[in-house]
Amino acid sequence: QLHLQESGPGLVKPSETLSLTCTVSSGSVSNSRGFYWGWIRQPPGKGLEWIGTVHYTGSNYYNPSLKSRVTISIDTSNNQFSLKVTSVTAADTAVYYCARLQLWFRQTDYWGQGTLVTVSS
Amino acid sequence: QSALTQPASVSGSPGQSITISCTGTSSDVGGYNYVSWYQQYPGKAPKVIIYDVSIRPSGVSDRFSGSKSGNTASLTISGLQAEDEADYYCSSYTSLSTLVFGGGTKLTVL
Repeated sequence: QLHLQESGPGLVKPSETLSLTCTVSSGSVSNSRGFYWGWIRQPPGKGLEWIGTVHYTGSNYYNPSLKSRVTISIDTSNNQFSLKVTSVTAADTAVYYCARLQLWFRQTDYWGQGTLVTVSS
Repeated sequence: QSALTQPASVSGSPGQSITISCTGTSSDVGGYNYVSWYQQYPGKAPKVIIYDVSIRPSGVSDRFSGSKSGNTASLTISGLQAEDEADYYCSSYTSLSTLVFGGGTKLTVL
């Protein structure tokens, strides 16, 4: 059973960079042709927002509304992938989920438990 | 990209059937059969219950079914049970090679 676990600071100051890592176990982020690895967030009391995805080949797809501030990268040697969001504001406060998405994003079949990141001074 | 449109809330009594709609455009829901539905309990990660418009993953109750007509997808839950009370989200692949979610629907079992 694939397992994903988010890690990173729970508190980030405004204007700084939010950095999270997702560690994948019982499976590999590489050699996975039909799968993408991605990040989805959920502000408190609100709905889900897709942030972006990365393929093991390094190709990326990003939410147009976040694209200028977001970088998602993959580290096949450590079986991890990461998220960076620059110039954060209070609007970036959310539970951040890492997840596995199938080709064409037809389903997001595995999710991490989620980690709350609060942007506050 | 704009979020897909879902009703904010729906409700039903045990045993009844309810349907949640998910409206997009020809660039997402209407253009691809890559609509999926997720069930989320408070404080938990979402769980996929329907993908490719109408396919149930292994282990998902057959009380959940999905369909699509034009730019609107629908999730139907039959034989409503108390455990179905949760938030439900739809999502769709888009022509921009992105993923868009609906705003979410809170299901209340009366």
